[in-house]
Amino acid sequence: ETGVTQSPTHLIKTRGQQVTLRCSSQSGHNTVSWYQQALGQGPQFIFQYYREEENGRGNFPPRFSGLQFPNYSSELNVNALELDDSALYLCASSPSRDRGSYGYTFGSGTRLTVV
Amino acid sequence: QKEVEQDPGPLSVPEGAIVSLNCTYSNSAFQYFMWYRQYSRKGPELLMYTYSSGNKEDGRFTAQVDKSSKYISLFIRDSQPSDSATYLCAMSIGGATNKLIFGTGTLLAVQP
Repeated sequence: ETGVTQSPTHLIKTRGQQVTLRCSSQSGHNTVSWYQQALGQGPQFIFQYYREEENGRGNFPPRFSGLQFPNYSSELNVNALELDDSALYLCASSPSRDRGSYGYTFGSGTRLTVV
Repeated sequence: QKEVEQDPGPLSVPEGAIVSLNCTYSNSAFQYFMWYRQYSRKGPELLMYTYSSGNKEDGRFTAQVDKSSKYISLFIRDSQPSDSATYLCAMSIGGATNKLIFGTGTLLAVQP
């Protein structure tokens, strides 16, 4: 059973709306990353948070933003939703920044559909 | 050209077969090489992890990394229907960000 919990599991939003996705990491996991996985594709890195600060970002526009909280939970916010934002959004946590390359535990993801 | 190339399949094999999954990459700075398994409606699960070149074995799974050819492989021996899933290769340069670059994934079906 994964130690990373994501909510909600499924979500349908209208183009132009805003959405917040949530992730609860294992206790002690101070590093969290978010990935976007389009249908039939591998996950793409959105950004990483370490001790509540963003310390790495992929090729995603500023309307993708995040927060990490002291209680090992985190959020992904997407503003001005576009149809191409429809994807599985994955949260991955690690007990340390140095183990991120191989130490990530992924959640089951949130399936977002934009109509 | 993508940094990591992976044949999407699908790949269908009979139970008990040896499965070979492969990825090629273009960035010589990659140091960490991983294979993830992803079942339908689930997140990726780490199967194997290799640092730099070489082989690593874990039960029925063997991972190989050839940095000179920029080529990595995962072999599954005595494949089982429960191995049916999408297999994703992933790579990382390492460092503070540890961004993973994934292949597109290969869909494997093991027929009983």
